[in-house]
Amino acid sequence: SQKIEQNSEALNIQEGKTATLTCNYTNYSPAYLQWYRQDPGRGPVFLLLIRENEKEKRKERLKVTFDTTLKQSLFHITASQPADSATYLCALYTGGFKTIFGAGTRLFVKA
Amino acid sequence: DAGVIQSPRHEVTEMGQEVTLRCKPISGHNSLFWYRQTMMRGLELLIYFNNNVPIDDSGMPEDRFSAKMPNASFSTLKIQPSEPRDSAVYFCASTLNSSYEQYFGPGTRLTVT
Repeated sequence: SQKIEQNSEALNIQEGKTATLTCNYTNYSPAYLQWYRQDPGRGPVFLLLIRENEKEKRKERLKVTFDTTLKQSLFHITASQPADSATYLCALYTGGFKTIFGAGTRLFVKA
Repeated sequence: DAGVIQSPRHEVTEMGQEVTLRCKPISGHNSLFWYRQTMMRGLELLIYFNNNVPIDDSGMPEDRFSAKMPNASFSTLKIQPSEPRDSAVYFCASTLNSSYEQYFGPGTRLTVT
């Protein structure tokens, strides 16, 4: 069956360190992969989109990698700050109209 | 732009009552999505509209759920009759192209007692 897996356990890191979140998927061949941030009581906010022919994408302190062979994306936040604390969702666009979201990983950055 | 607007932000209703959730997408966006989010199931796509036309409603849980988009600037999601298991946060999202990033509204937190 088709599945998207994100680490269900919260990730706790110290301010200034690099946070790395993982998104694994099975039985999909996504044309794009996206990462969203969601704060409590709010809707998800788009962060980055990476296409299947791109290995890496950067935006300020954010970096996303996409390995279609491993069926995995890694999401990095460098020089993390307490304000980065949130839930991060990965989402796969597989064609047609559907974007499938993972359950998300909660990140806590301690000062 | 004001972003995607949803109303109400919170709704508490009794089982059996009709609930109507409203959404105003970002002006110029041609695709609109309704999602439901719960702790157990995460973010689930309920229905997708493209140019005001429902493309796929296979995510709509039951016949009790219906959605309309009478024009490019307004959509409703109706639950009739509501049940306690419908309690969730309902999000509306819009995008210019169904493959691009989606812009989510603030959500409606529905509680059915």
